[in-house]
Amino acid sequence: EDQVTQSPEALRLQEGESSSLNCSYTVSGLRGLFWYRQDPGKGPEFLFTLYSAGEEKEKERLKATLTKKESFLHITAPKPEDSATYLCAVTWATGRRALTFGSGTRLQVQP
Amino acid sequence: GAGVSQSPSNKVTEKGKDVELRCDPISGHTALYWYRQSLGQGLEFLIYFQGNSAPDKSGLPSDRFSAERTGGSVSTLTIQRTQQEDSAVYLCASSVGGNQPQHFGDGTRLSIL
Repeated sequence: EDQVTQSPEALRLQEGESSSLNCSYTVSGLRGLFWYRQDPGKGPEFLFTLYSAGEEKEKERLKATLTKKESFLHITAPKPEDSATYLCAVTWATGRRALTFGSGTRLQVQP
Repeated sequence: GAGVSQSPSNKVTEKGKDVELRCDPISGHTALYWYRQSLGQGLEFLIYFQGNSAPDKSGLPSDRFSAERTGGSVSTLTIQRTQQEDSAVYLCASSVGGNQPQHFGDGTRLSIL
């Protein structure tokens, strides 16, 4: 059973068209949920950590939210430079300290 | 400041050869992680070092894989008798420890001919 599921797999937006990416998780005792951005040929770049339901974090056009079952990454008025793969990862109470990743959402923003 | 540094950035080798991949973590980070990223498999955990504790090796796919961390800093991932299925990008990350964000290097792209 997948512990972290991201949707959609791919998303194409027009510049300025806001949308949301979803990360759902099935682990118990969530310790942390992490969002990363990955550009081709690069390592994942850290964006946000969320630790408890109801928490929200913002950075420029991105806003991450967390519930007891899922997290959303909201992208407001995206620009072409926001095109990347967005990865979600979790750690949980009875799991290892390393991150368990979802398969990612490939976002393309067209001018 | 300096981020996580990995070398080489690319490595091409023949099947059956041994390879060593190096990771220099961010200064002061006590936790170091190795992951592997391959097409269709996503990012998978390999091994985790935290300070002087015994490493968590539970993600290593076979006994051909090993890693060490010397002096609590630099780490080397060694793959012996490489196979074609070992072709992937090997990523290293470090963190200040605990449940803090991990910061990644740009990886070593390993190709086995």
